[in-house]
Amino acid sequence: NAGVTQTPKFRILKIGQSMTLQCAQDMNHNYMYWYRQDPGMGLKLIYYSVGAGITDKGEVPNGYNVSRSTTEDFPLRLELAAPSQTSVYFCASSPPGGGQETQYFGPGTRLLVL
Amino acid sequence: LAKTTQPISMDSYEGQEVNITCSHNNIATNDYITWYQQFPSQGPRFIIQGYKTKVTNEVASLFIPADRKSSTLSLPRVSLSDTAVYYCLVGSTGANNLFFGTGTRLTVIP
Repeated sequence: NAGVTQTPKFRILKIGQSMTLQCAQDMNHNYMYWYRQDPGMGLKLIYYSVGAGITDKGEVPNGYNVSRSTTEDFPLRLELAAPSQTSVYFCASSPPGGGQETQYFGPGTRLLVL
Repeated sequence: LAKTTQPISMDSYEGQEVNITCSHNNIATNDYITWYQQFPSQGPRFIIQGYKTKVTNEVASLFIPADRKSSTLSLPRVSLSDTAVYYCLVGSTGANNLFFGTGTRLTVIP
């Protein structure tokens, strides 16, 4: 199993550009999550999904969109990049049960918006 | 929202036992307590989870008092490779109540 994979590893965007951060898991997990982690800070939940076709907002959803068309994939879309979105983005997945289940994290995508 | 409070940092010498306490005063009946470890430039990874009393695995122990308003992660005989940030997470079924907090940066000194 590859676990949770994320692409790209690193990206530089100009203000106003858009991009999609890719996330895939091969563990057949229902739950998937997107977090952002600013330097020296903890993780903040952006969006999550409890299954294909179902997504919901987390703590900091503004400026982001997600979709979940398959169990395996959970892309995160930034439409108009802003410097405040400079961060490391982590995708995670877990079996059904949400917060009482172990989350498995990807290696992260480092995003710099200039 | 069951937010958590942890010490920002801790130092320990190699071979010592380290105890990291997390406060979660607003924990709900259905919430579990989970601890994660994060090395630089990596995603967090699961260490241990519990609901009440004591849980032990090959890596750590987790102590939860009866009122569940706090929990203590215990790492026996730490080594240099245990230098990392440790997060306490409280959550239950569903995901809109997940809160990682800023974590505790543990530095193990030779």
